[in-house]
Amino acid sequence: LAKTTQPISMDSYEGQEVNITCSHNNIATNDYITWYQQFPSQGPRFIIQGYKTKVTNEVASLFIPADRKSSTLSLPRVSLSDTAVYYCLVVLGYNQGGKLIFGQGTELSVKP
Amino acid sequence: EAQVTQNPRYLITVTGKKLTVTCSQNMNHEYMSWYRQDPGLGLRQIYYSMNVEVTDKGDVPEGYKVSRKEKRNFPLILESPSPNQTSLYFCASHGAGQGRGYTFGSGTRLTVV
Repeated sequence: LAKTTQPISMDSYEGQEVNITCSHNNIATNDYITWYQQFPSQGPRFIIQGYKTKVTNEVASLFIPADRKSSTLSLPRVSLSDTAVYYCLVVLGYNQGGKLIFGQGTELSVKP
Repeated sequence: EAQVTQNPRYLITVTGKKLTVTCSQNMNHEYMSWYRQDPGLGLRQIYYSMNVEVTDKGDVPEGYKVSRKEKRNFPLILESPSPNQTSLYFCASHGAGQGRGYTFGSGTRLTVV
């Protein structure tokens, strides 16, 4: 599975849009990109998954360029409760079955 | 409510005393996994299962055993716990074809003294 690289930390203010970019240069044809959010001492929570172009749900948007070597998670108008660690993962196939490799994640701090 | 249930939430035990952390999901999911999370090391996969009686090693399987006799249950067994297995453990499950990622349990904080 492709290794991912993302910033260790980011700061933002309430109401701003936050974009977290993840690099996955060795992504394979059958791989999907997925993002999770984790609060301290809680299990990660699935945010969004995509293969190419743009995916949007009620929580976030995911932008994936044509070469798929990177992806950007966009959180619109963040609030204090969005302070968390965000993980970008490359997963084998739509089903995400099997091996999942979590990197260090991006620690997002939202300030008032 | 759809959920992954782990028990116990907290456990303090002594070195060498066998223990089992249970994990159960009520979503009829095929895939289940166990992770441990340690400061500075992040989340690491211990074992995963793609269906009943199908299990495979993750990145850090040493010292752990799992079984998947029923679809809903995926217990984690520590035959002879050691202090380096003190950690926060998470169980997770995922349904084939759903594309909605894994659902994680609330975690089990294990301390081995």
